[in-house]
Amino acid sequence: DAKTTQPTSMDCAEGRAANLPCNHSTISGNEYVYWYRQIHSQGPQYIIHGLKNNETNEMASLIITEDRKSSTLILPHATLRDTAVYYCIVRQTNAGGTSYGKLTFGQGTILTVHP
Amino acid sequence: DAGITQSPRHKVTETGTPVTLRCHQTENHRYMYWYRQDPGHGLRLIHYSYGVKDTDKGEVSDGYSVSRSKTEDFLLTLESATSSQTSVYFCAISAGTQNTEAFFGQGTRLTVV
Repeated sequence: DAKTTQPTSMDCAEGRAANLPCNHSTISGNEYVYWYRQIHSQGPQYIIHGLKNNETNEMASLIITEDRKSSTLILPHATLRDTAVYYCIVRQTNAGGTSYGKLTFGQGTILTVHP
Repeated sequence: DAGITQSPRHKVTETGTPVTLRCHQTENHRYMYWYRQDPGHGLRLIHYSYGVKDTDKGEVSDGYSVSRSKTEDFLLTLESATSSQTSVYFCAISAGTQNTEAFFGQGTRLTVV
């Protein structure tokens, strides 16, 4: 499985952009990068995913480098409610013809948004 | 929110007793997963299902079994609960694998005393 490396923690001022980096240097060509976040003890919440092109939705933007070895999740205007653990995940590809789609979670980045 | 319901939400049980957790979905998604989350370990996959009666083990499957007799329900059973199985359990569902997001339930907090 492709492994990901994220900083343990980051801080961000409310209203500013939060840029969360992720390294995934062993990613395979057909593996997607997914981002989830977890607030307190709630279930992980899907944010965004991409393969090689940059992606944007109502929550965030995902920037993937051309070599696909790293990516950055951008929260354009962070609020206090964005304080959470953010997980960068490389989703497993097919194995033996059976697609599993398992998500392997690392430790994530604790993002703290300050007033 | 995706239609996922986990039950019960909280449970306290005694060591050695069997426990079954239920994950129910209304999305008709093919794939379902059970994870556990413990301090210092993040979320770890216990078992998953890729169709009715099609299941397989994850990375921490010892002491757990699963069943999926219909698309909407995925049951996780602790045959004989131990204190090491005290954890928060999350169910997830997904219509596909790579290019389809997975949605998580709100979790079941299980305490084994």
